[in-house]
Amino acid sequence: QSALTQPRSVSGSPGQSVTISCTGTSSDVGGYNYVSWYQQHPGKAPKLIIYYVSARPSGVPDRFSGSKSGNTASLTISGLQAEDEADYYCCSNAGSHTLYVFGTGTKVTVL
Amino acid sequence: EVQLVESGGGLVQPGGSLRLSCAASGFSGHWMVWVRQAPGKGLEWVANINPDGSQKYFVDSVRGRFTFSRDNANNSLYLQMNNLRSEDTAVYYCAREGRAAPGVALKAYDIWGQGTLVTVSS
Repeated sequence: QSALTQPRSVSGSPGQSVTISCTGTSSDVGGYNYVSWYQQHPGKAPKLIIYYVSARPSGVPDRFSGSKSGNTASLTISGLQAEDEADYYCCSNAGSHTLYVFGTGTKVTVL
Repeated sequence: EVQLVESGGGLVQPGGSLRLSCAASGFSGHWMVWVRQAPGKGLEWVANINPDGSQKYFVDSVRGRFTFSRDNANNSLYLQMNNLRSEDTAVYYCAREGRAAPGVALKAYDIWGQGTLVTVSS
């Protein structure tokens, strides 16, 4: 039950794109198409922004996109905006409903 | 409107117990979860429970010390935490696992409460 590995921080200027990686194993990220991503602003609860690797909940801008290759999932934020500055966490199912594991978290800074 | 409101957090000594509650409207038929976040740290999945409360799963670090129950009639969930340790200090969030369609789990958490802080310290 080790946390998924994410870069500690990424940064970009407004309008640019940034990509956050989330690396796991064949027992979690690589084994299931159940990767989700959450955005968390300071002092706030997390917000779901991607599920099923690449699906977006209603109301989430299409600037946010997800993908997966092997044991690594990725979140890309295109057209970076000031309000995108937050912490981002990936999460993967690791076997039916028996276990989920979060990533270590990535701080996105808008320069 | 679907809403989750946690309560019951506070200061407790190591080895003590605490019971967290989550008042949950709109959670009938959904798997529910507790996720915690230590101060300045990342999210950690703690436990989940199926819609009728018959299946519960826990992360290794709390298994045997925490129990998770739900009262669907009263729209409430409970996390009983025993033998608390300093490393259990965190904000505890109650969250709902969404559904893509009836009977099709989202495997992701679409509704979150505001969290309740648990501090384990002497």
